[in-house]
Amino acid sequence: AQSVTQLGSHVSVSEGALVLLRCNYSSSVPPYLFWYVQYPNQGLQLLLKYTSAATLVKGINGFEAEFKKSETSFHLTKPSAHMSDAAEYFCAVRGRGNTGKLIFGQGTTLQVKP
Amino acid sequence: GAGVSQSPSNKVTEKGKDVELRCDPISGHTALYWYRQSLGQGLEFLIYFQGNSAPDKSGLPSDRFSAERTGGSVSTLTIQRTQQEDSAVYLCASSSRTGSNTGELFFGEGSRLTVL
Repeated sequence: AQSVTQLGSHVSVSEGALVLLRCNYSSSVPPYLFWYVQYPNQGLQLLLKYTSAATLVKGINGFEAEFKKSETSFHLTKPSAHMSDAAEYFCAVRGRGNTGKLIFGQGTTLQVKP
Repeated sequence: GAGVSQSPSNKVTEKGKDVELRCDPISGHTALYWYRQSLGQGLEFLIYFQGNSAPDKSGLPSDRFSAERTGGSVSTLTIQRTQQEDSAVYLCASSSRTGSNTGELFFGEGSRLTVL
């Protein structure tokens, strides 16, 4: 069965600093991987996805993530944090095959300090 | 509307009562999902509907939980004999068939359930 683990339930960075949110996956076959973001009092929205094309995936708002099979990781990064990036971020995995079920991690709350 | 609509946005109920939560997906989306979001628990998968196929109910936590999707559109999540541990935000999402294959889900803003 597929699963994801997000390391760190809370991450705090200063405005302008590098953002690194960690996600490791467990899957018996190469998975599809995703990052979703949830701003306060809003629903989740897709930030970026890996579906076996390029291993470095660029998403919205300057975020990107790199799929590393050897490390079973899909960490999310942004070179320079902005105050508006403060939100909760979820990593998710979908196994290949005939199912659309997405399994989410426990989420990481990103705090951006001025 | 253009997005996924959920109602009620907030529901307070007494322990032991039944509740119904409604989800109106994006028009034309064949896939519909229910997730539960509890503090510190992330998003817990509950159930997934895809077209006319049998739903994937593997995430429903107990037989007090059920969901149906009528006419391939609106879905209702029913919780019978609510317990305090059912308090959470219940999120609905929908996707096109292509989107469900590639994981692009569109979420509603959720229904916050509080069981006293």
